[in-house]
Amino acid sequence: GQQLNQSPQSMFIQEGEDVSMNCTSSSIFNTWLWYKQDPGEGPVLLIALYKAGELTSNGRLTAQFGITRKDSFLNISASIPSDVGIYFCAGQDFGNEKLTFGTGTRLTIIP
Amino acid sequence: SAVISQKPSRDICQRGTSLTIQCQVDSQVTMMFWYRQQPGQSLTLIATANQGSEATYESGFVIDKFPISRPNLTFSTLTVSNMSPEDSSIYLCSVEVKGWNTGELFFGEGSRLTVL
Repeated sequence: GQQLNQSPQSMFIQEGEDVSMNCTSSSIFNTWLWYKQDPGEGPVLLIALYKAGELTSNGRLTAQFGITRKDSFLNISASIPSDVGIYFCAGQDFGNEKLTFGTGTRLTIIP
Repeated sequence: SAVISQKPSRDICQRGTSLTIQCQVDSQVTMMFWYRQQPGQSLTLIATANQGSEATYESGFVIDKFPISRPNLTFSTLTVSNMSPEDSSIYLCSVEVKGWNTGELFFGEGSRLTVL
């Protein structure tokens, strides 16, 4: 089946630093999405991307849909304590409502 | 958007028993999905719950183990049957809301099950 690999697996950064994480797939997706999960909560949608090459921002977050349609990245600028959590990418095939989730990137902010 | 309530939020269960998780949405939704998140892992789709028809299960998940009901457009249940310690996971209900694009899912807070 399809697999989405995220890197890095975990990140330890200081407040104010920029963050970059990416997601790669063994196959093509028609839609890429990024979700964030806080402890004890369900994932929350951050950004959705629908076209190859698309670059979309949501506040301090910027995500891009890779040209090959097999990858996506998420950047967070000027990190703040509430950015702590697990970030999941997810891919969706054309004409298929199902999402395939990535392995996750755990973000920790060092005081 | 949608507000999704799951019950129970957590439970400790004995091996061999069954537990039913409820998912209530505050608005009518088109698609409902049940995911499993094993400790420290990503989300894996169990099944898609369709109103008025049987759920569609993903590879590796069967109806006898995870029976699902969806009696109306705002409610669904997932039962974890004959539980074993390997079933210890967070079970998440998610929905697709009319007016939002497919894939833009809203999730409940999850039901954390521990099987002893």
